Amino acid sequence: EAGVAQSPRYKIIEKRQSVAFWCNPISGHATLYWYQQILGQGPKLLIQFQNNGVVDDSQLPKDRFSAERLKGVDSTLKIQPAKLEDSAVYLCASSLTAGPINEQYFGPGTRLTVT
Amino acid sequence: KQEVTQIPAALSVPEGENLVLNCSFTDSAIYNLQWFRQDPGKGLTSLLLIQSSQREQTSGRLNASLDKSSGRSTLYIAASQPGDSATYLCAVSYNQGGKLIFGQGTELSVKP
Repeated sequence: EAGVAQSPRYKIIEKRQSVAFWCNPISGHATLYWYQQILGQGPKLLIQFQNNGVVDDSQLPKDRFSAERLKGVDSTLKIQPAKLEDSAVYLCASSLTAGPINEQYFGPGTRLTVT
Repeated sequence: KQEVTQIPAALSVPEGENLVLNCSFTDSAIYNLQWFRQDPGKGLTSLLLIQSSQREQTSGRLNASLDKSSGRSTLYIAASQPGDSATYLCAVSYNQGGKLIFGQGTELSVKP
């Protein structure tokens, strides 16, 4: 079974530029999560989708971050314009919604450097 | 506020030692708790998941325990090896399908 796929793996941009990240979850996983991990910290949820609907985006900086999940499969996270403090690893995870265990599976992440 | 704390932040041990990593959480009404491993520049690998009704889970040399009433979990690694060197993260969720709230991690170094 293929895991969670993310691209690109690395991205370097200048502040005020825009950037987009892509995620393809494990086949059949209805729930998709985007986390931000700043160096030396644990990941923090940015947004959670259930199929193509948003469940939780309370910590998403909506003035500059946006995300969508068309057709309930792939997802794109965009930052426009980027700030220096957006330098982080952006992790995508997915999980089956049914069942009690609900384990989350993570992709390799995209490392963003804003200069 | 729901928070997760991991102690110590970093740990260095000689190969072969048994060791314990600690995780505490402020709100004990968790749904489940996961331990992850993160290698430098890589994503997160799930090691163990403990449901709220369970007290422990084991996988090979790893054993994770959960004490909900005290808001604590421990990850026990037996006979540590240099390949165990990584950052270990603890995370809790408070409902089915809910977000994970992570600790800041413990960076483990096992010296040959």
